[in-house]
Amino acid sequence: AQSVTQLGSHVSVSEGALVLLRCNYSSSVPPYLFWYVQYPNQGLQLLLKYTSAATLVKGINGFEAEFKKSETSFHLTKPSAHMSDAAEYFCAVSGDGGFKTIFGAGTRLFVKA
Amino acid sequence: EAGVVQSPRYKIIEKKQPVAFWCNPISGHNTLYWYLQNLGQGPELLIRYENEEAVDDSQLPKDRFSAERLKGVDSTLKIQPAELGDSAVYLCASSRTGGAGTDTQYFGPGTRLTVL
Repeated sequence: AQSVTQLGSHVSVSEGALVLLRCNYSSSVPPYLFWYVQYPNQGLQLLLKYTSAATLVKGINGFEAEFKKSETSFHLTKPSAHMSDAAEYFCAVSGDGGFKTIFGAGTRLFVKA
Repeated sequence: EAGVVQSPRYKIIEKKQPVAFWCNPISGHNTLYWYLQNLGQGPELLIRYENEEAVDDSQLPKDRFSAERLKGVDSTLKIQPAELGDSAVYLCASSRTGGAGTDTQYFGPGTRLTVL
């Protein structure tokens, strides 16, 4: 079985500050992990994904995430927040063998001027 | 390259009425997904197609929901009759193949359904 827990339904940061969105997963098989972003009234867009290669994954818009097996975590970070980063962020887990993708409940990021 | 297209974008209906959503995936994508997204929640899979075959419909409430993907391209999701609790956003996504867990899913903008 697989599951995803996103800590914090809302995160607020100042423009230029570090962004840290937390994600912990549970998986009975080697996991593949994803971060998606959703802007208002739009579908989800892939930010980055971990597929068992490098543990530090770089994505679009300056985001990156690190896979830590010992902590079962895949936290998303960005060194300096921009107003345009305000959106909903979803962490997701899947696996080989027909496992479906399981999404977390999402974290809404607010960026203050 | 055109993205995943969904229509309508918004739908308001009375309870007990039927409703249908349409999705056209990215050209060449064999796998099509329908997700339900409730307010403040992540997407939850309703059904997954590999070409014309529904390979995972375990979460589809079959008493009122049905789906089809004729010719393995576009797809329709239907609810009949709709209930108040069906108010949500219905997302369609596609990927090249669903067999690999690493496959990226591309999402459409969704259909926001309101049942009165």
